[in-house]
Amino acid sequence: QSALTQPASVSGSPGQSITISCTGTSSDVGGYNYVSWYQQHPGKAPKLMIYEVSNRPSGVSNRFSGSKSGNTASLTISGLQAEDEADYYCSSYTSSSSLVVFGGGTKLTVL
Amino acid sequence: QVQLVESGGGVVQPGGSLRLSCAASGFSFSSYGFHWVRQAPGKGLEWVTFIRYDGSDKYYADSVKGRFTISRDNSKNTLYLQMNSLRDEDTAVYYCAKQESSSWYAFDIWGQGTMLTVSS
Repeated sequence: QSALTQPASVSGSPGQSITISCTGTSSDVGGYNYVSWYQQHPGKAPKLMIYEVSNRPSGVSNRFSGSKSGNTASLTISGLQAEDEADYYCSSYTSSSSLVVFGGGTKLTVL
Repeated sequence: QVQLVESGGGVVQPGGSLRLSCAASGFSFSSYGFHWVRQAPGKGLEWVTFIRYDGSDKYYADSVKGRFTISRDNSKNTLYLQMNSLRDEDTAVYYCAKQESSSWYAFDIWGQGTMLTVSS
């Protein structure tokens, strides 16, 4: 069982907005602003989309945004496009014995 | 261009050992910390280990502590993962990943991955 909880799947139509949640505890998501989000297409390496809750790396579309409230972080994708269909993972720094924990991943389907 | 290239994966029997390598190019290797992240077939991502830019600090997931060792050679721009006492559950694609410039805990450059299969 993953340390961070994500929905197994979400879906949306082209042009719509979707939000993926990532729930942890005060030892990880809730206690620190070190939440990241990754996009992974089948057979490919993950790609960093958001870091430190809401920062976008250079080159990442501004259709991707991140936020956090309490122990839950969220990734919002606006103006859904076909190429957004992928698996999305959240991660966070954790004060537990490990350094970083991941969520179980969310499969985004663009209808 | 900026890239990480892993090598060294393969098939190993339970209890065996293997060393993975990750060659970096296109950026200042010695300025950044690096992680290993793995992904079992059909499963999610699992953080494995991290080493600081100068090798002074290392961190491990509980699942590999005492069996895996991360190291680096800044003169060769190469990261390593020595894996001993391998178990079936270590079977996965292993990715090396560079820390984001301002944060140890985000991974902004990833290799293509190398597959480890532990099986008798």
